[in-house]
Formats: sequence, C-alpha cells, structure tokens
Amino acid sequence: QSVLTQPPSASGTPGQRVTISCSGSSSNIGSNTVNWYQQLPGAAPKLLIYSNDQRPSGVPDRFSGSKSGTSASLAISGLQSEDEADYYCAAWHDSLNGHVFGTGTKVTVL
Amino acid sequence: EVQLVESGGGLVQPGRSLRLSCAASGFTFDDYAMHWVRQVPGKGLEWVSGISWNGGSIDYGDSVKGRFNISRDNAKNSLHLQMNSLRADDTALYYCIKGVGAARRDGMDVWGQGTTVTVSS
Repeated sequence: QSVLTQPPSASGTPGQRVTISCSGSSSNIGSNTVNWYQQLPGAAPKLLIYSNDQRPSGVPDRFSGSKSGTSASLAISGLQSEDEADYYCAAWHDSLNGHVFGTGTKVTVL
Repeated sequence: EVQLVESGGGLVQPGRSLRLSCAASGFTFDDYAMHWVRQVPGKGLEWVSGISWNGGSIDYGDSVKGRFNISRDNAKNSLHLQMNSLRADDTALYYCIKGVGAARRDGMDVWGQGTTVTVSS
C-alpha cells in the first residue's frame, strides 16, 4: 500500500526539465526526510537523492530534490535518454513505524 | 564496493515457510540498519521490514506483521528474513537494502539484485 502520491507518468524531450511531485502527510514527509530512487528497466532501484536534497557521489547534478511541508519534488534538468526509468519517493512514517514509498512515476524521454 | 547478495528464494506452496538470506560486504555491517523491500513485477515498491544496527529495534509492514521475522548476524555480515504462512500475495522480488545510518528510520541506500519468491500450489 503506497501512502505517498506521485503522478503515474511524466515526459519531456531531450534537454528539457521534468519535475515529479510526491505528496504525503504530517506523519511522513512533514516530519521526516525524503529519499528518491531511480529504477531503470530490469534493474534494482538506485538511490538518487537522500535527506530531501542531497546527491550521493556519482549522481549527476542534473538531478535535484526539494521538500516543502508535506510534499517533495524531484527535478531532472537537461533530460537525457538514459533518464527513462521509474522514480519513487520514500520517507519514514511515524505512526506506521516503517518506510513508505510513493506510487512511482514513469519518466519517458520523447 | 558495497555488495548485497540475496539468496533463498524459490517456489513454495501457500502456508509453507521460506528463509531469505543476504550476504553483505564492502562496508562495516554492524554500523548500519538493514531492510527488506519487495516488488511485484510491474508494480511498485513495498517496504517489508527493517532492523537497527544491533537488532534492538525491528519493525514490519502491516501486510507481513505476525508472519515474517527479520534477523541479522553481525559476526557473519548477514541478514535474514524468515517468512511463514506464505500467501499468494507474498509473491514478489525481495530486495535486501543497506540503511543510510544505524537507525531504521534513516532511509535506505544500496540495494541488492533481489531474490524471487513465488507462492503457488
């Protein structure tokens, strides 16, 4: 059961900027940090953004994250064909005492 | 390089048990929480369970609570998931994941490649 809501799809042409939203509540995003994961076709998910806006080493700076209140966003600037993937947000949920994931967004490069 | 290798998946009948294992290397295992997440092919991610660095804090997702048990052996750098009373809707690819920090709520970073569990008669 996904507690965090994301748009099912997003798309753009190469070079464009794409933004993915992640909507939660005061029990998850509102009181905890957000991580973002990228899942390429046939592969395991990979951490893209942690602690709302931090990039692990090796992640291009085209990817950026932000958080405001009970929502978070992932932006991909300078979209590239290799960015075609599913993207998931995640956060700790206080009352459930567990991590919750977003519904996932499929990004298509036109 | 951090590596997580899952094993133990397979075909099992409803109501039976299965034990998944995860062999960790490339980091100080007992410094980090560990997690299991599952994914039905073509569907989204579902957090299954998490365990703190020393095993002192454990939590489960609602769908597996009372049926699954997570454990870790810090001496052997291994993580386990004992799955009992398996149901058809437990069928999924199960991932082992390293935590970002020592506590369960710290988030997850490196993922293994997963092991497939199929529950069917």
